[in-house]
Amino acid sequence: DAMVIQNPRYQVTQFGKPVTLSCSQTLNHNVMYWYQQKSSQAPKLLFHYYDKDFNNEADTPDNFQSRRPNTSFCFLDIRSPGLGDAAMYLCATSRGGTGTEAFFGQGTRLTVV
Amino acid sequence: DAKTTQPNSMESNEEEPVHLPCNHSTISGTDYIHWYRQLPSQGPEYVIHGLTSNVNNRMASLAIAEDRKSSTLILHRATLRDAAVYYCILRAVSGNTPLVFGKGTRLSVIA
Repeated sequence: DAMVIQNPRYQVTQFGKPVTLSCSQTLNHNVMYWYQQKSSQAPKLLFHYYDKDFNNEADTPDNFQSRRPNTSFCFLDIRSPGLGDAAMYLCATSRGGTGTEAFFGQGTRLTVV
Repeated sequence: DAKTTQPNSMESNEEEPVHLPCNHSTISGTDYIHWYRQLPSQGPEYVIHGLTSNVNNRMASLAIAEDRKSSTLILHRATLRDAAVYYCILRAVSGNTPLVFGKGTRLSVIA
Protein backbone atom coordinates (compact mmCIF):
# COMPACT_ATOMS: atom_id res chain seq x y z
CA ASP A 1 0.00 0.00 0.00
CA ALA A 2 1.25 3.45 -0.86
CA MET A 3 2.57 5.28 2.20
CA VAL A 4 3.15 8.69 0.66
CA ILE A 5 0.35 9.64 -1.66
CA GLN A 6 0.40 12.56 -4.04
CA ASN A 7 -2.67 13.84 -5.80
CA PRO A 8 -3.19 14.31 -8.60
CA ARG A 9 -0.52 12.40 -10.56
CA TYR A 10 -0.91 14.84 -13.45
CA GLN A 11 -2.05 18.44 -13.17
CA VAL A 12 -2.57 20.93 -15.96
CA THR A 13 -2.96 24.56 -15.00
CA GLN A 14 -3.16 27.83 -16.85
CA PHE A 15 -0.41 30.40 -16.81
CA GLY A 16 -0.93 32.60 -13.77
CA LYS A 17 -3.76 30.52 -12.27
CA PRO A 18 -3.10 29.39 -8.69
CA VAL A 19 -2.68 25.67 -8.24
CA THR A 20 -2.38 23.43 -5.20
CA LEU A 21 -0.69 20.06 -5.07
CA SER A 22 -1.36 17.73 -2.18
CA CYS A 23 0.55 15.09 -0.30
CA SER A 24 -0.62 12.74 2.42
CA GLN A 25 1.22 10.12 4.43
CA THR A 26 0.23 7.13 6.51
CA LEU A 27 3.60 6.80 8.24
CA ASN A 28 3.09 9.41 10.97
CA HIS A 29 6.48 10.89 10.10
CA ASN A 30 7.28 14.28 11.52
CA VAL A 31 9.34 15.54 8.57
CA MET A 32 7.81 16.32 5.19
CA TYR A 33 9.64 17.64 2.13
CA TRP A 34 8.69 19.19 -1.19
CA TYR A 35 10.99 18.90 -4.19
CA GLN A 36 10.85 20.21 -7.74
CA GLN A 37 12.38 18.05 -10.45
CA LYS A 38 12.78 19.21 -14.02
CA SER A 39 13.62 16.95 -16.90
CA SER A 40 17.04 15.24 -16.62
CA GLN A 41 17.83 17.10 -13.39
CA ALA A 42 18.12 16.02 -9.78
CA PRO A 43 15.30 16.80 -7.36
CA LYS A 44 15.66 20.30 -5.96
CA LEU A 45 14.54 20.88 -2.39
CA LEU A 46 11.96 23.68 -2.09
CA PHE A 47 11.14 23.49 1.62
CA HIS A 48 10.58 21.08 4.43
CA TYR A 49 8.68 20.83 7.69
CA TYR A 50 10.09 19.41 10.88
CA ASP A 51 6.87 18.94 12.80
CA LYS A 52 5.27 22.36 12.45
CA ASP A 53 8.54 24.19 11.90
CA PHE A 54 8.72 25.41 8.33
CA ASN A 55 12.11 25.63 6.61
CA ASN A 56 12.34 27.44 3.30
CA GLU A 57 15.35 26.99 1.05
CA ALA A 58 17.03 30.32 0.31
CA ASP A 59 16.52 30.08 -3.45
CA THR A 60 12.89 28.93 -3.40
CA PRO A 61 10.84 31.56 -5.25
CA ASP A 62 8.19 33.48 -3.29
CA ASN A 63 5.67 32.14 -5.78
CA PHE A 64 5.88 28.81 -3.95
CA GLN A 65 4.28 28.36 -0.56
CA SER A 66 3.38 25.44 1.60
CA ARG A 67 0.91 24.49 4.30
CA ARG A 68 0.93 21.62 6.73
CA PRO A 69 -2.39 21.59 8.60
CA ASN A 70 -1.61 18.34 10.43
CA THR A 71 0.93 15.53 10.56
CA SER A 72 -0.60 13.63 7.66
CA PHE A 73 -1.09 16.32 5.05
CA CYS A 74 1.08 18.85 3.30
CA PHE A 75 0.21 21.17 0.42
CA LEU A 76 2.27 23.00 -2.16
CA ASP A 77 0.68 26.21 -3.43
CA ILE A 78 1.95 27.90 -6.55
CA ARG A 79 0.42 31.35 -6.56
CA SER A 80 1.02 32.35 -10.17
CA PRO A 81 2.48 29.49 -12.18
CA GLY A 82 4.78 30.38 -15.02
CA LEU A 83 5.92 28.21 -17.88
CA GLY A 84 9.19 27.64 -16.02
CA ASP A 85 7.31 26.00 -13.15
CA ALA A 86 6.36 23.02 -15.27
CA ALA A 87 8.04 20.09 -13.56
CA MET A 88 7.57 16.98 -11.47
CA TYR A 89 6.84 17.84 -7.84
CA LEU A 90 7.86 15.24 -5.30
CA CYS A 91 6.76 14.91 -1.70
CA ALA A 92 8.75 12.90 0.82
CA THR A 93 8.59 12.07 4.50
CA SER A 94 11.00 10.85 7.12
CA ARG A 95 10.88 10.11 10.79
CA GLY A 96 13.36 12.85 11.65
CA GLY A 97 16.96 12.32 12.54
CA THR A 98 19.39 11.98 9.69
CA GLY A 99 20.02 8.29 10.21
CA THR A 100 16.56 7.50 8.92
CA GLU A 101 15.35 6.89 5.41
CA ALA A 102 13.01 9.11 3.48
CA PHE A 103 9.96 7.81 1.64
CA PHE A 104 8.86 9.47 -1.58
CA GLY A 105 5.55 9.72 -3.32
CA GLN A 106 5.11 9.05 -7.03
CA GLY A 107 5.09 12.74 -7.77
CA THR A 108 2.72 15.15 -9.49
CA ARG A 109 3.65 16.21 -13.00
CA LEU A 110 2.60 19.82 -13.49
CA THR A 111 2.01 21.23 -16.94
CA VAL A 112 1.48 24.97 -17.39
CA VAL A 113 -0.37 26.06 -20.52
CA ASP B 1 27.08 21.87 3.04
CA ALA B 2 29.40 18.92 2.42
CA LYS B 3 29.45 18.05 -1.28
CA THR B 4 29.64 14.79 -3.16
CA THR B 5 31.12 14.00 -6.56
CA GLN B 6 29.87 11.14 -8.69
CA PRO B 7 30.48 10.11 -12.29
CA ASN B 8 27.71 11.30 -14.58
CA SER B 9 27.06 7.87 -16.01
CA MET B 10 28.13 4.25 -15.82
CA GLU B 11 27.30 1.13 -17.73
CA SER B 12 27.14 -2.46 -16.57
CA ASN B 13 26.34 -5.83 -18.03
CA GLU B 14 23.42 -7.72 -16.61
CA GLU B 15 24.28 -10.12 -13.79
CA GLU B 16 27.66 -8.47 -13.25
CA PRO B 17 28.57 -6.62 -10.04
CA VAL B 18 28.46 -2.83 -10.19
CA HIS B 19 30.59 -0.47 -8.10
CA LEU B 20 29.25 3.09 -7.99
CA PRO B 21 31.80 5.51 -6.53
CA CYS B 22 31.21 8.69 -4.57
CA ASN B 23 33.83 11.17 -3.40
CA HIS B 24 33.11 13.35 -0.39
CA SER B 25 36.46 14.78 0.65
CA THR B 26 34.92 17.50 2.84
CA ILE B 27 32.81 15.10 4.89
CA SER B 28 32.62 15.91 8.57
CA GLY B 29 32.77 13.40 11.37
CA THR B 30 29.03 13.67 11.95
CA ASP B 31 27.85 13.20 8.36
CA TYR B 32 25.96 10.07 7.40
CA ILE B 33 26.41 8.77 3.85
CA HIS B 34 23.07 8.00 2.23
CA TRP B 35 22.32 6.44 -1.16
CA TYR B 36 19.05 6.79 -3.01
CA ARG B 37 18.08 5.75 -6.49
CA GLN B 38 15.42 6.95 -8.89
CA LEU B 39 13.97 4.56 -11.41
CA PRO B 40 12.47 6.05 -14.58
CA SER B 41 9.18 7.88 -13.97
CA GLN B 42 9.23 7.18 -10.23
CA GLY B 43 10.12 9.04 -7.05
CA PRO B 44 13.50 8.36 -5.46
CA GLU B 45 13.81 5.36 -3.16
CA TYR B 46 16.16 4.72 -0.29
CA VAL B 47 18.94 2.21 -0.91
CA ILE B 48 21.30 2.23 2.05
CA HIS B 49 23.14 4.48 4.49
CA GLY B 50 26.13 4.29 6.82
CA LEU B 51 28.40 6.31 9.06
CA THR B 52 31.75 4.55 9.39
CA SER B 53 31.40 0.81 8.98
CA ASN B 54 30.50 -1.05 5.82
CA VAL B 55 26.81 -1.86 5.57
CA ASN B 56 24.83 -4.57 3.81
CA ASN B 57 21.13 -4.90 3.12
CA ARG B 58 18.93 -6.80 0.70
CA MET B 59 19.42 -4.21 -2.02
CA ALA B 60 23.11 -3.39 -1.89
CA SER B 61 26.30 -3.01 0.09
CA LEU B 62 27.99 0.22 1.09
CA ALA B 63 31.76 0.26 1.41
CA ILE B 64 33.13 3.30 3.24
CA ALA B 65 36.80 4.23 3.01
CA GLU B 66 38.71 4.30 6.25
CA ASP B 67 39.19 8.08 6.03
CA ARG B 68 35.51 8.43 5.01
CA LYS B 69 36.41 10.66 2.08
CA SER B 70 34.89 8.25 -0.38
CA SER B 71 32.37 5.45 -0.51
CA THR B 72 31.19 2.86 -2.99
CA LEU B 73 27.72 1.48 -3.51
CA ILE B 74 27.91 -2.13 -4.62
CA LEU B 75 25.15 -3.90 -6.49
CA HIS B 76 26.17 -7.53 -6.38
CA ARG B 77 24.34 -8.65 -9.51
CA ALA B 78 22.94 -5.94 -11.73
CA THR B 79 19.58 -6.57 -13.31
CA LEU B 80 17.73 -4.54 -15.91
CA ARG B 81 15.52 -3.25 -13.08
CA ASP B 82 18.57 -1.62 -11.49
CA ALA B 83 18.86 0.89 -14.33
CA ALA B 84 18.34 4.19 -12.53
CA VAL B 85 20.00 7.38 -11.33
CA TYR B 86 21.91 6.73 -8.11
CA TYR B 87 22.43 9.60 -5.68
CA CYS B 88 25.04 9.77 -2.95
CA ILE B 89 24.01 12.26 -0.25
CA LEU B 90 25.64 13.47 2.96
CA ARG B 91 23.44 14.32 5.92
CA ALA B 92 24.67 15.80 9.18
CA VAL B 93 23.67 13.99 12.33
CA SER B 94 21.75 16.99 13.72
CA GLY B 95 18.06 16.29 13.63
CA ASN B 96 16.88 18.86 11.11
CA THR B 97 19.21 18.35 8.19
CA PRO B 98 17.20 17.96 5.00
CA LEU B 99 17.88 15.55 2.17
CA VAL B 100 19.63 17.50 -0.60
CA PHE B 101 20.35 15.74 -3.91
CA GLY B 102 23.45 16.17 -6.08
CA LYS B 103 23.60 15.23 -9.74
CA GLY B 104 23.91 11.47 -9.28
CA THR B 105 25.14 8.70 -11.57
CA ARG B 106 22.95 7.34 -14.33
CA LEU B 107 23.45 3.58 -14.43
CA SER B 108 22.63 1.72 -17.62
CA VAL B 109 22.38 -2.07 -17.54
CA ILE B 110 22.95 -3.99 -20.74
CA ALA B 111 21.32 -7.36 -21.31
